[in-house]
Amino acid sequence: DGGITQSPKYLFRKEGQNVTLSCEQNLNHDAMYWYRQDPGQGLRLIYYSQIVNDFQKGDIAEGYSVSREKKESFPLTVTSAQKNPTAFYLCASTYTGTDTQYFGPGTRLTVL
Amino acid sequence: QKEVEQDPGPLSVPEGAIVSLNCTYSNSAFQYFMWYRQYSRKGPELLMYTYSSGNKEDGRFTAQVDKSSKYISLFIRDSQPSDSATYLCAMSGGAGGTSYGKLTFGQGTILTVHP
Repeated sequence: DGGITQSPKYLFRKEGQNVTLSCEQNLNHDAMYWYRQDPGQGLRLIYYSQIVNDFQKGDIAEGYSVSREKKESFPLTVTSAQKNPTAFYLCASTYTGTDTQYFGPGTRLTVL
Repeated sequence: QKEVEQDPGPLSVPEGAIVSLNCTYSNSAFQYFMWYRQYSRKGPELLMYTYSSGNKEDGRFTAQVDKSSKYISLFIRDSQPSDSATYLCAMSGGAGGTSYGKLTFGQGTILTVHP
């Protein structure tokens, strides 16, 4: 089955810790995106990547980092510099040249 | 002012009702318009995609775009309890140029259809 997988589904973090969220896709999509979703605020773009070994900051990149070493994978690290990391994180992908993005199931991160 | 405004609701309707969901936008560069449906604790799924003014129909769903008024709508006919979800509008200036296929989302409208 083709699709986007995110792991873990739920993640708990203590303050001051870095955590990495996984996003993998087997759709052969070129572009991948990370969004954060908070109640009543829709989706906000954190980082995006159009091609391997290249990525750009989105609207709320502070406190986050990413890498794109493989076409299929786009992990997101939530660092201790992110002041309010508790949120629902969504990964998406699409072919370069199109704008209909397909989403993974999400990871819910809670800071204890 | 946000680029995309969407009434967050919540919206509660009886089964069988016609539902109207709306978004307004301020950026004239938006050319492509999407509606996503998101069930609780799940990722959004693409419901409708349009790129021109007018109506597009798919089963019980109709997407309407009015670029002159910068207003888009999603209509759901004969609504079902299984339609209960959050509906997100999304817009793009296109995959080329500086927009890089980035989407701008509305806040989402929470819809409940009760039996």
